[in-house]
Amino acid sequence: GAVVSQHPSWVICKSGTSVKIECRSLDFQATTMFWYRQFPKQSLMLMATSNEGSKATYEQGVEKDKFLINHASLTLSTLTVTSAHPEDSSFYICSARVGPPEAFFGQGTRLTVV
Amino acid sequence: AQSVTQPDIHITVSEGASLELRCNYSYGATPYLFWYVQSPGQGLQLLLKYFSGDTLVQGIKGFEAEFKRSQSSFNLRKPSVHWSDAAEYFCAVEAIYNQGGKLIFGQGTELSVKP
Repeated sequence: GAVVSQHPSWVICKSGTSVKIECRSLDFQATTMFWYRQFPKQSLMLMATSNEGSKATYEQGVEKDKFLINHASLTLSTLTVTSAHPEDSSFYICSARVGPPEAFFGQGTRLTVV
Repeated sequence: AQSVTQPDIHITVSEGASLELRCNYSYGATPYLFWYVQSPGQGLQLLLKYFSGDTLVQGIKGFEAEFKRSQSSFNLRKPSVHWSDAAEYFCAVEAIYNQGGKLIFGQGTELSVKP
């Protein structure tokens, strides 16, 4: 199956700094990628849909200015958490969709803001 | 609005016993249906999917699921559970039209396996 690589796997940052998470499709082109957030013992909540060459579509309640998404190429989407605070600590997962409908997930990034 | 319900938050089964994880969805038409498994600190792995056709679908690791339109259900089953099956299981749906491929996930069911 298709491989989605997410980097870094974990990151610790100081409050007020920004963190960038990369999501790459290694062996296929992904026109659409998705970013999810997962709190401990909870389900995945879609944050935004990332479309190559256009602005991301954010879900209701997700701060666009805090969670910057860039999909500069068909194989790379990035999520930047700006001015991170402890409440942004979470598990972030990306996925890339290929047709017929099937999503492949990255291994996730554990963000801890101290 | 679409929703996915997994009624069981946590299930414990003995190794070798059969397993059934429940999933119900709410949607006006038949969506695409998926089951994923997640090990701690990891991403999601696709177990199986249903798009159309035969309502009993086979997946990896000996799992199967049955789509029942009348019950809006897509329950996951395995005849004999192995200790390595302990993980979090998510049911998900994707709207067929005009949703851009978004997946809606259930709350998840944590599976524990007793020796």
